[in-house]
Amino acid sequence: GAVVSQHPSWVICKSGTSVKIECRSLDFQATTMFWYRQFPKQSLMLMATSNEGSKATYEQGVEKDKFLINHASLTLSTLTVTSAHPEDSSFYICSARQRGPSSYNEQFFGPGTRLTVL
Amino acid sequence: AQSVTQLDSHVSVSEGTPVLLRCNYSSSYSPSLFWYVQHPNKGLQLLLKYTSAATLVKGINGFEAEFKKSETSFHLTKPSAHMSDAAEYFCVVSDRTSYDKVIFGPGTSLSVIP
Repeated sequence: GAVVSQHPSWVICKSGTSVKIECRSLDFQATTMFWYRQFPKQSLMLMATSNEGSKATYEQGVEKDKFLINHASLTLSTLTVTSAHPEDSSFYICSARQRGPSSYNEQFFGPGTRLTVL
Repeated sequence: AQSVTQLDSHVSVSEGTPVLLRCNYSSSYSPSLFWYVQHPNKGLQLLLKYTSAATLVKGINGFEAEFKKSETSFHLTKPSAHMSDAAEYFCVVSDRTSYDKVIFGPGTSLSVIP
């Protein structure tokens, strides 16, 4: 159980275009989903936290108008990279926290999406 | 505020020898602690987690970790390294002040020499 999927697994786009990445919790309801970015040889950096039905909370330094997050249902969150530039090329990973009482904040991670902007 | 330190950015061991990946944390409250593994160009896989139960936690693939409050440590060990263990390992901390967030350590890259 507790499987999280991401689509697409990799995407290549031209500079200036927008890219949408989907994150789905397949077998549980996720009240909260998280989006991370990981540059090569680095750790995961939290970009934003999204709660179903409300606006996402962005970490300091993350442009909310560039990285649009929508969490319209308890099983789906999307990240749209608008007007992508080569410096946005990265590995984007989502995670989901299961609905219900949480005693230890375990997050279940998706497999990641490799974005390359030409 | 929470923080995680992984003392070694890179560890190299010979196949069949023990593995020790070090992690120290800072947390104001009783923390939850996790170890994740990430193989190249792959997502994260949970190895094990500590959630205020037994201090010695056994995980998958022969890994285990011991929570030591007095030392604020949660080191990851394995008695005998396998070639397939070569990967990036992340220590992660969370506590009830974090409002659902977890904090990732910088990671330790494990190499296994045949």
